[in-house]
Amino acid sequence: GAGVSQSPSNKVTEKGKDVELRCDPISGHTALYWYRQSLGQGLEFLIYFQGNSAPDKSGLPSDRFSAERTGGSVSTLTIQRTQQEDSAVYLCASSLASWYEAFFGQGTRLTVV
Amino acid sequence: KQEVTQIPAALSVPEGENLVLNCSFTDSAIYNLQWFRQDPGKGLTSLLLIQSSQREQTSGRLNASLDKSSGRSTLYIAASQPGDSATYLCAVQKGTYKYIFGTGTRLKVLA
Repeated sequence: GAGVSQSPSNKVTEKGKDVELRCDPISGHTALYWYRQSLGQGLEFLIYFQGNSAPDKSGLPSDRFSAERTGGSVSTLTIQRTQQEDSAVYLCASSLASWYEAFFGQGTRLTVV
Repeated sequence: KQEVTQIPAALSVPEGENLVLNCSFTDSAIYNLQWFRQDPGKGLTSLLLIQSSQREQTSGRLNASLDKSSGRSTLYIAASQPGDSATYLCAVQKGTYKYIFGTGTRLKVLA
């Protein structure tokens, strides 16, 4: 596609449920990132993929968060047993390689009620 | 720990003015610096990427400069327009991949 695509654009879930957020990066981009933007806060790094490998998972807030990337393309961020503090906009970005310009998707707004 | 600060936090200017947004960072050992804009409820749009070996980049009415030694970058917007209204974010790349973001400058250009 022309840009980074994320789905769903909005997700409302009940506390305790699991959610999956999807990211389709720009074709050919080997680097993929997940960030989180909480209300009134800056962007927080979650995880970085190079190909299908995640050399840096240091930003994942807890073991309820996990992410995978398959075929060097699509990535899924999974949050288990969601909590209200997980409510945020989750942004995905990709770049041709990690030192190239990063392009962001429109984000998934997650609301945990 | 790398910290990125953007000043001012908010700015309101009349249409046509030239303006400067500031970004400062505490650790000069950065790889790249990238400027983004974010419209309300939207994702980030890349504006300019400055590599560590570069001093400035230009795109249309935008010019970004980088002074690594002083830990500063500026984004210059010429002849501002109402459509430039957005939040502007700078991000420094620590190592070869992780971006550390500033908290942004909210710009409003009045018609």
